[in-house]
Amino acid sequence: QKEVEQDPGPLSVPEGAIVSLNCTYSNSAFQYFMWYRQYSRKGPELLMYTYSSGNKEDGRFTAQVDKSSKYISLFIRDSQPSDSATYLCAMNRNNNDMRFGAGTRLTVKP
Amino acid sequence: DTGVSQNPRHKITKRGQNVTFRCDPISEHNRLYWYRQTLGQGPEFLTYFQNEAQLEKSRLLSDRFSAERPKGSFSTLEIQRTEQGDSAMYLCASSPWTGEQFFGPGTRLTVL
Repeated sequence: QKEVEQDPGPLSVPEGAIVSLNCTYSNSAFQYFMWYRQYSRKGPELLMYTYSSGNKEDGRFTAQVDKSSKYISLFIRDSQPSDSATYLCAMNRNNNDMRFGAGTRLTVKP
Repeated sequence: DTGVSQNPRHKITKRGQNVTFRCDPISEHNRLYWYRQTLGQGPEFLTYFQNEAQLEKSRLLSDRFSAERPKGSFSTLEIQRTEQGDSAMYLCASSPWTGEQFFGPGTRLTVL
């Protein structure tokens, strides 16, 4: 079993939809949780960075962490075609090496 | 541009050759990380530095791989005697003390 599980999709939604992406993990020592967006053949771009459980909002993006369930989510409101990319969840214990999910490929159709 | 930079962006080499990649982190970041990413997978941790000290290495980092960060600024990753299985995107990231990791554009290695 992988430490971090993420549904690879692909996920296709119409423009303006609310997108829900999620990951589960097995290591209860993880404390820092990140979401990255990666366009094809580019490096990952940091979207959200959270510590421990709770919610964090930044513009159209909301990250949720539920440590008791070992479950994290990213919500994208009013999705745009420019949001089409692969979304990677990542986490670590103490700000050192990160463990990534496999990524969910999202397409937002105009 | 004040982001993480990596060179070269793409490297094609023949099996058995040595290759070296360079990463220039964001200037005020003291931590630097190397990851490897294959198609359809998330990045996998290879090693990281705090200033010039290499503090952690993954079991993925075989003895053919070596990384340095001689003055705590840029870093190099060398692969000796490349194999076809080394073909991947090699990503560098840097972080400040707060821990958020910012990635460079990557170096895509193709081993023929």
